[in-house]
Amino acid sequence: QQPVQSPQAVILREGEDAVINCSSSKALYSVHWYRQKHGEAPVFLMILLKGGEQKGHEKISASFNEKKQQSSLYLTASQLSYSGTYFCGTELTYNTDKLIFGTGTRLQVFP
Amino acid sequence: DVKVTQSSRYLVKRTGEKVFLECVQDMDHENMFWYRQDPGLGLRLIYFSYDVKMKEKGDIPEGYSVSREKKERFSLILESASTNQTSMYLCASSNGGTVSQETQYFGPGTRLLVL
Repeated sequence: QQPVQSPQAVILREGEDAVINCSSSKALYSVHWYRQKHGEAPVFLMILLKGGEQKGHEKISASFNEKKQQSSLYLTASQLSYSGTYFCGTELTYNTDKLIFGTGTRLQVFP
Repeated sequence: DVKVTQSSRYLVKRTGEKVFLECVQDMDHENMFWYRQDPGLGLRLIYFSYDVKMKEKGDIPEGYSVSREKKERFSLILESASTNQTSMYLCASSNGGTVSQETQYFGPGTRLLVL
């Protein structure tokens, strides 16, 4: 039931791009993306709702393919501040008030 | 600015002890959640609560209980701590309505070591 994230880890140089994927075996209503820096609380990035919309936030954007039960997070022209662990949280049904989080993707950006 | 605080950043307990982890949020949020975070397993939901006195089991409730006597406070209780409960525990809150409309705000976490 827990969504699977891939890759498990990514190493980048500043300015490079990365894609993080989140796949569920169950139909999804929404996908939430969070970033957690080492020793800190997870911080919300964005929500994608059923309907296949794509969202953007500075140089970080995401897509949601409800037919494939997948979401992808796109990081372009990565910065040092992007380093951390990225989690997707999936909501299976509208108004469940409950997220099932993925296994996490660790991203490290070097100068 | 939403703030979720947890009573301790680090905690060391002995096997068999009763352990209380406290979480307080200052934004009058309806929903509160307890997760544990382990390497390679991500965040797993233990219990959550929609309102005072209400609680719902998450995905891994065994060995845990919770208490929500006041809206702003949600406590996680380990009745008899075991070594396999050594983990990072994260508390979160959200504004109610539907989660899909609102984000969850997380506390800094409590790293619990059970010896």
